Amino acid sequence: QQQVKQSPQSLIVQKGGISIINCAYENTAFDYFPWYQQFPGKGPALLIAIRPDVSEKKEGRFTISFNKSAKQFSLHIMDSQPGDSATYFCAASFSGGSNYKLTFGKGTLLTVNP
Amino acid sequence: DSGVTQTPKHLITATGQRVTLRCSPRSGDLSVYWYQQSLDQGLQFLIQYYNGEERAKGNILERFSAQQFPDLHSELNLSSLELGDSALYFCASSVADGYNSPLHFGNGTRLTVT
Repeated sequence: QQQVKQSPQSLIVQKGGISIINCAYENTAFDYFPWYQQFPGKGPALLIAIRPDVSEKKEGRFTISFNKSAKQFSLHIMDSQPGDSATYFCAASFSGGSNYKLTFGKGTLLTVNP
Repeated sequence: DSGVTQTPKHLITATGQRVTLRCSPRSGDLSVYWYQQSLDQGLQFLIQYYNGEERAKGNILERFSAQQFPDLHSELNLSSLELGDSALYFCASSVADGYNSPLHFGNGTRLTVT
């Protein structure tokens, strides 16, 4: 059973555009939602994370929007740049639990064209 | 650079063989996690060690085993290899265990079974 569903699988955006990646989760006990960024040949790296006590978190050009009632959260990349081209993974877990309980989405391959 | 070192970067071997993947966590990190990444399954948690002790098991096959040594480096042993074991294997480490102690991933070992 896939507990975190991520879409789209791939996304092509022009430089300067907005990239939007969506995730939906099933387990209402999840209360920690990080996003990871993975460049080719590298491991995933934590990009930004949110807890459900806020509906939005912004760090530079990256924003997480969270909708608790819909059990959805999304990553918005404003003014997308070619250097943002990477695979993005959403994840969900329990803030009181171990890291091993982190459940990942299947990833979105983002390509930003110059 | 995450500070997590994985060797080798690439490994090509034949079915039925046994291989060992090695991971050196970030200095000071006590917890080590192993993940398998494939195109269709995404990032799958295999096993976690904390300060030398096995902490949690995920979808790890019986043909696979791991250990964490007193110097905190870890090894993942894969035996009786099958074609379907071809994947990227990532090691991650964290200082402690929990959402306040995020995962830091190595650059992975790409295993190809022929």
